[in-house]
Amino acid sequence: SQQGEEDPQALSIQEGENATMNCSYKTSINNLQWYRQNSGRGLVHLILIRSNEREKHSGRLRVTLDTSKKSSSLLITASRAADTASYFCATDELAGNQFYFGTGTSLTVIP
Amino acid sequence: EAQVTQNPRYLITVTGKKLTVTCSQNMNHEYMSWYRQDPGLGLRQIYYSMNVEVTDKGDVPEGYKVSRKEKRNFPLILESPSPNQTSLYFCASSLRGTRRAETQYFGPGTRLLVL
Repeated sequence: SQQGEEDPQALSIQEGENATMNCSYKTSINNLQWYRQNSGRGLVHLILIRSNEREKHSGRLRVTLDTSKKSSSLLITASRAADTASYFCATDELAGNQFYFGTGTSLTVIP
Repeated sequence: EAQVTQNPRYLITVTGKKLTVTCSQNMNHEYMSWYRQDPGLGLRQIYYSMNVEVTDKGDVPEGYKVSRKEKRNFPLILESPSPNQTSLYFCASSLRGTRRAETQYFGPGTRLLVL
């Protein structure tokens, strides 16, 4: 399987702190995306970074991509209780048509 | 409102009883996909469709069938469900699929229990 992995599996922080989660993947990609899922609901797209980009920002989100290490990180700054959710990275194939999701990081932000 | 809808949202069935989970999108998207989500395994792609009448296997297609007769609909068929297909299923769509730097839009999920 080409499914990626995320680290840590679970993360618990205080409100106001920063949260960092990491994603590793296995094959060359075109793009990497991060999604958020609230408790068994559908996934919501957060941010996309192309393979030729190294860093991208969107509001309190910062994503980095290191294609040489086949890894990405998602940083959420100044976390809020409403950020409590599971976060997944998703990659595509360089020459294929499939998407691959990581195993997810469960983030709990304590008020 | 642009959305992906799935029905039913919850389903309890017995082994061997054929079932269909419907998926529909109103965004004129070409690419549609089915995923299953299991604890500790994340989301795994079951089948995907690049366009009408074009479908392909994902990572875990065994025990599932799909069809894409219309652009907006992409039903998932379990001909003879087994307990190991108990899972949370998501349908998703995007405008043109992979390699296009496009987001996927997800349905609300269908929770299936096979007894």
